Amino acid sequence: QKEVEQNSGPLSVPEGAIASLNCTYSDRGSQSFFWYRQYSGKSPELIMFIYSNGDKEDGRFTAQLNKASQYVSLLIRDSQPSDSATYLCAVKSGGGADGLTFGKGTHLIIQP
Amino acid sequence: ETGVTQSPTHLIKTRGQQVTLRCSSQSGHNTVSWYQQALGQGPQFIFQYYREEENGRGNFPPRFSGLQFPNYSSELNVNALELDDSALYLCASSFGGVDSPLHFGNGTRLTVT
Repeated sequence: QKEVEQNSGPLSVPEGAIASLNCTYSDRGSQSFFWYRQYSGKSPELIMFIYSNGDKEDGRFTAQLNKASQYVSLLIRDSQPSDSATYLCAVKSGGGADGLTFGKGTHLIIQP
Repeated sequence: ETGVTQSPTHLIKTRGQQVTLRCSSQSGHNTVSWYQQALGQGPQFIFQYYREEENGRGNFPPRFSGLQFPNYSSELNVNALELDDSALYLCASSFGGVDSPLHFGNGTRLTVT
């Protein structure tokens, strides 16, 4: 069974600091990795996606992927109070018809 | 470019009833998938439709069924509702394929009493 594990938190980070969110996955055949942000009562919003080992940067966000360790992370630089949300890690296996497997999410709190 | 829209926003049903949820895909997207998100959990994959055919399914019983129409809009039908079906139901559209990110609608909050 495919599993995606995240620390549920809450993870508390001071405003302006770097927030580091981590995720591990069980299926070695996984090929695509996504980070979604979800505010309370709202739907998930795509933040980043990464397919290859290494780092991918987009503005204040950096996604890191290590397929050998089955580990993906999201760094948020210069954290803002508006970044306070639940961050969902999602993984997709090789088949185009496979759905995403989500973790339970990490609740991030940015303290002003 | 229009996003993914879902209706209704909220719905209250009684155990044993049937419900239909609707979704309009983002313009240009040919694949639609549905997810169930219980409180405090991550979304769980129900099924996916491509060119009006179901081409992927998660671990959900047959009383969860769906349709995709030629204009790529979609329906999720749930028969014989159970209390545990209470959740946020999310529709997502994409271009399909392993590397196509999903874009979610605002969801339908279903409460079964």
